Amino acid sequence: DTEVTQTPKHLVMGMTNKKSLKCEQHMGHRAMYWYKQKAKKPPELMFVYSYEKLSINESVPSRFSPECPNSSLLNLHLHALQPEDSALYLCASSPRTSGGAGDTQYFGPGTRLTVL
Amino acid sequence: KQEVTQIPAALSVPEGENLVLNCSFTDSAIYNLQWFRQDPGKGLTSLLLIQSSQREQTSGRLNASLDKSSGRSTLYIAASQPGDSATYLCAVVGNAGNMLTFGGGTRLMVKP
Repeated sequence: DTEVTQTPKHLVMGMTNKKSLKCEQHMGHRAMYWYKQKAKKPPELMFVYSYEKLSINESVPSRFSPECPNSSLLNLHLHALQPEDSALYLCASSPRTSGGAGDTQYFGPGTRLTVL
Repeated sequence: KQEVTQIPAALSVPEGENLVLNCSFTDSAIYNLQWFRQDPGKGLTSLLLIQSSQREQTSGRLNASLDKSSGRSTLYIAASQPGDSATYLCAVVGNAGNMLTFGGGTRLMVKP
């Protein structure tokens, strides 16, 4: 299994809703990432998990809450979002946590989120 | 802070042309550089990864070069096809860790 899966593919939610995005990989990778991508812009890093511990939080608002229940799963819990949070949310994983030669990131297909 | 720039932002070519996409970065202290392809509304597909000690990598019709000292990389696509139409993103991993810093991308259109 050499892919990163994300569910759901599409999500529409109101500003008062609570929802979660899910990401899964079975490649034995020990680093997992959440990115946000607005239309015609490059992905922006949100969070990095290293060995199931949050290692990087790029000053993301608290209405986004990440969770890494085990080495294969990564969740992003959403609460009280704003319309400007509408974007493509991408998950990625990489074999190692320290970067370096040959450590590529593998991306999932993304979840298209629309906040009404 | 690392900044990555891609030129041109958009490119339209007829089928069969060879083309070059450019990527530049401000901090030469990098671990590696990756080129990705992204189709509209989809995730990213890794095309080539060049380690900081390497000068180039090849995969099929794609060739990526890296000149770390000058902060530049190029992606060469030979004999372009309509199926190559997509956005191409370059990204670097800095020495501080495994955070990817992306360029703005080049939107490529190959016309039949």
